[in-house]
Amino acid sequence: DVKVTQSSRYLVKRTGEKVFLECVQDMDHENMFWYRQDPGLGLRLIYFSYDVKMKEKGDIPEGYSVSREKKERFSLILESASTNQTSMYLCASNGLVGYEQYFGPGTRLTVT
Amino acid sequence: GENVEQHPSTLSVQEGDSAVIKCTYSDSASNYFPWYKQELGKGPQLIIDIRSNVGEKKDQRIAVTLNKTAKHFSLHITETQPEDSAVYFCAANDYKLSFGAGTTVTVRA
Repeated sequence: DVKVTQSSRYLVKRTGEKVFLECVQDMDHENMFWYRQDPGLGLRLIYFSYDVKMKEKGDIPEGYSVSREKKERFSLILESASTNQTSMYLCASNGLVGYEQYFGPGTRLTVT
Repeated sequence: GENVEQHPSTLSVQEGDSAVIKCTYSDSASNYFPWYKQELGKGPQLIIDIRSNVGEKKDQRIAVTLNKTAKHFSLHITETQPEDSAVYFCAANDYKLSFGAGTTVTVRA
């Protein structure tokens, strides 16, 4: 059974803190994605990676960075968390562009 | 980039009735159109997809239609059941997936 896991389901951080969100997939997928989900806005792509150490900006990369040192792991980093980054963060992976993406359960991040 | 609009934002149907969700897209280069279902507390899960060389696809009670000329595609759920209650997202792919805003479907028993 395919699996994408995210390090935390809920996270509360203070403004200005550095935040790490971790995602691991066990399907040997080439591509990994980070989205944020907000009511009325759907899913918006923050960053994606199509290979180890490779990354590409999505639609809303400002305030975020990513790291992919191993094929199975993709990290999202908030360098200095702000209240407008309070959101649900979803990680996904797939083997080929243009095919099914498999999502993790999400991390609900609250920045106070 | 691709822009996907989805309507309606909420949909309430009686159990056994049909539900229809419509999406439009802007980039004629998009060639892959998946639909995802998100249940409470879970990540989205693919329920059906269609590619641009096909006009319609069906899987049991779920069907998707695509009109490339008009740049719109629709999800049809027949004989709705309580377990169909969820948030549904359409998406379109040129190079990256672009998602619609989502439709919250409630099936009334």
